[in-house]
Amino acid sequence: DQQVKQNSPSLSVQEGRISILNCDYTNSMFDYFLWYKKYPAEGPTFLISISSIKDKNEDGRFTVFLNKSAKHLSLHIVPSQPGDSAVYFCAAKNTGNQFYFGTGTSLTVIP
Amino acid sequence: NAGVMQNPRHLVRRRGQEARLRCSPMKGHSHVYWYRQLPEEGLKFMVYLQKENIIDESGMPKERFSAEFPKEGPSILRIQQVVRGDSAAYFCASSPPSGAPSNQPQHFGDGTRLSIL
Repeated sequence: DQQVKQNSPSLSVQEGRISILNCDYTNSMFDYFLWYKKYPAEGPTFLISISSIKDKNEDGRFTVFLNKSAKHLSLHIVPSQPGDSAVYFCAAKNTGNQFYFGTGTSLTVIP
Repeated sequence: NAGVMQNPRHLVRRRGQEARLRCSPMKGHSHVYWYRQLPEEGLKFMVYLQKENIIDESGMPKERFSAEFPKEGPSILRIQQVVRGDSAAYFCASSPPSGAPSNQPQHFGDGTRLSIL
């Protein structure tokens, strides 16, 4: 049972434009949400997170939005840069410290 | 390097052999998680351990796979009698102990790529 879903396997965006990556979850008990970035042959790298008590968290070019009523999470990258090309995983944590990951979205930023 | 360390980075085994994958968590972290990533797929949770204790192994195959995190030393993921389908990248992540400020991210190692001949 996939509790965290990323329905878009891939996304292509022009350099300088906004990238929007989406994620849906099913468990209303998740209390913490995260985005990770992964390059080939490397481990996922933590990017940004948000607590369930907030609806927005911003860190430089990266902003995460949380819509609890819709059980939806999104990551905005603006402006997008070629170095942002990677696979992005969203994840959610429950109160038992267990993490659930989506299947990833491969972002390509076109110069 | 205070990050999560996994070794070996690459491991080749023949069918029927045993594979041992090691993970040293970040300094100060006492929770370890193992994930498997098959080609073209996402991260699949396998097991969650604390020192000397398995918290959740619901993602681990019932046979041939085992994990431990002893009081001293790294966490070990052991796969006995490997088969071709075990070929994958295995990632370890760690997080701070319970009682630390809540909602801390996991940090990942660079994985072990297991190839079965």
